[in-house]
Amino acid sequence: DSGVTQTPKHLITATGQRVTLRCSPRSGDLSVYWYQQSLDQGLQFLIQYYNGEERAKGNILERFSAQQFPDLHSELNLSSLELGDSALYFCASSVEARGDTNSPLHFGNGTRLTVT
Amino acid sequence: GENVEQHPSTLSVQEGDSAVIKCTYSDSASNYFPWYKQELGKGPQLIIDIRSNVGEKKDQRIAVTLNKTAKHFSLHITETQPEDSAVYFCAASSTNAGGTSYGKLTFGQGTILTVHP
Repeated sequence: DSGVTQTPKHLITATGQRVTLRCSPRSGDLSVYWYQQSLDQGLQFLIQYYNGEERAKGNILERFSAQQFPDLHSELNLSSLELGDSALYFCASSVEARGDTNSPLHFGNGTRLTVT
Repeated sequence: GENVEQHPSTLSVQEGDSAVIKCTYSDSASNYFPWYKQELGKGPQLIIDIRSNVGEKKDQRIAVTLNKTAKHFSLHITETQPEDSAVYFCAASSTNAGGTSYGKLTFGQGTILTVHP
């Protein structure tokens, strides 16, 4: 068990809808990362937050947004969903100790999103 | 940005044999290279990592080597067991325009390892 908790585990919704994925990082970890995993694109970095602030952005669509709250949990919001958004969405967290921006990432077990 | 190529895409070995997975990266400024194991229905699990100031690292049956000049790194698993069967991913840390790493990882496409009893 990595200590990273993601809910829900499965989500089935229709095109055009909006969903929210939730992540609780490991205790003490300040950084949260969101990744998308699909068969054709592999594991793709979406966005990173550090202690409530956005730190880095990857290939995240404008229809997607995220935030990290004062208690350090994070939410990924996906709107105007399309069939192609069906994928596994992973959250990861790291402690990111002072001066070390390459702390190991610990992944949750993901949310499987199916858009019909 | 960073690009990571991983080979082979599938690897089948007999129990007790060794398995080797290789990755190349494009960004010479990358300095952190973790390996993850992903089992069905679970998230990637860190199994070993190496930093650019080290050429080799070992943890029991698992070892990783890094060649910065050639920009490639490899995972070696010895005495494979059926429970080693999983998808393995290599990754490299990406840097921003200023050359600072923020822990953002670029992953290879994965290797499906099957260990036959």
